[in-house]
Amino acid sequence: SQTIHQWPATLVQPVGSPLSLECTVEGTSNPNLYWYRQAAGRGLQLLFYSVGIGQISSEVPQNLSASRPQDRQFILSSKKLLLSDSGFYLCAWGGGGNEQFFGPGTRLTVL
Amino acid sequence: GNSVTQMEGPVTLSEEAFLTINCTYTATGYPSLFWYVQYPGEGLQLLLKATKADDKGSNKGFEATYRKETTSFHLEKGSVQVSDSAVYFCALSPTTSGTYKYIFGTGTRLKVLA
Repeated sequence: SQTIHQWPATLVQPVGSPLSLECTVEGTSNPNLYWYRQAAGRGLQLLFYSVGIGQISSEVPQNLSASRPQDRQFILSSKKLLLSDSGFYLCAWGGGGNEQFFGPGTRLTVL
Repeated sequence: GNSVTQMEGPVTLSEEAFLTINCTYTATGYPSLFWYVQYPGEGLQLLLKATKADDKGSNKGFEATYRKETTSFHLEKGSVQVSDSAVYFCALSPTTSGTYKYIFGTGTRLKVLA
């Protein structure tokens, strides 16, 4: 069966520091991968999606970037965090049936 | 463009009450529709889905019917439990998008009191 992992689970970072969040999927090949952000009390905003290794599409202009160095690995990064980057970051993978399956999320607090 | 509108929360109910969470959508073509549930501090879990008009998705006592004539996908449960307390998200996946980029509603928080 397929599983999706995210780490770290929680992170507290100062403004201006770098960021690296990792997502890995097991039990499937060539999945579509997605990064979402959920701000406090709000819905989900799609940040990036990827249909294959090295293929990244950005949905929202921001100071975040994403990379997919391996088939089942998706990384969200920033060189300098802003206060507004605080939120709950969710990774998801999509199979052939157009459902998306979400990871447990990373709670990021920027101080 | 594509959009999803959910009723504003929070919704507070007593245990065993009937639940309805309204969801309407705007989309071209024939999107797939989903309900996801998010328990505190966790990711989203797929609750149910429907892929064509008049389909009824159901799971764990929850159900929703894809109504193309009213562009709606309301979530219902006959008798809620305290354990159903969570945030519920309605979402659509446009069929014209091979990458299946979801459009999510803003979520509706449900609180069930014992």
